[in-house]
Amino acid sequence: GIQVEQSPPDLILQEGANSTLRCNFSDSVNNLQWFHQNPWGQLINLFYIPSGTKQNGRLSATTVATERYSLLYISSSQTTDSGVYFCAVALITNAGKSTFGDGTTLTVKP
Amino acid sequence: GAVVSQHPSWVICKSGTSVKIECRSLDFQATTMFWYRQFPKQSLMLMATSNEGSKATYEQGVEKDKFLINHASLTLSTLTVTSAHPEDSSFYICSARDHREGRYNEQFFGPGTRLTVL
Repeated sequence: GIQVEQSPPDLILQEGANSTLRCNFSDSVNNLQWFHQNPWGQLINLFYIPSGTKQNGRLSATTVATERYSLLYISSSQTTDSGVYFCAVALITNAGKSTFGDGTTLTVKP
Repeated sequence: GAVVSQHPSWVICKSGTSVKIECRSLDFQATTMFWYRQFPKQSLMLMATSNEGSKATYEQGVEKDKFLINHASLTLSTLTVTSAHPEDSSFYICSARDHREGRYNEQFFGPGTRLTVL
């Protein structure tokens, strides 16, 4: 099956700093999403981005499908950005099943 | 739009009992739903794919007789953990893909159910 690797595994930032999270995947996909899991466990949809670039406020994401990676950028980080960020990929022909990376745990200190 | 709910949010039960978890798509129909399990400080692991009107398909290593899945309608899937044991204690999360036109098959997750088996 598809392998998904996220880096770094842990990231500690001071409030206001910028960061880049990376997601590498081993095979062609036609569905890629970034999620933020909050301290209560809820996964919040950040981006659906199988290719190209999107921005939403302080967050943006870029996927280069031909090179099999995606990047999530967080600018001017806030303490509420803390949590685990997951990348999930899928090949929709495979019954839409997603494979998750191990996540990046972000801690933003005030 | 695209809201998925789960019930209950948490449950504590005695070893040997069965626990049912409900997953509902509130504002869209979901012919397929997915059940995941997450242990502390780990990623989400897909357990099974729930198909409306047909049998669920289970991932390798997941006991289908222990984790019973019923997808009786286009908005409801249930996961029953039968004869639960302490090692079944985990965070169970369901999801559904929004297949509506223009929604890109984006996956939405329920808030999860924390199961503790004593």
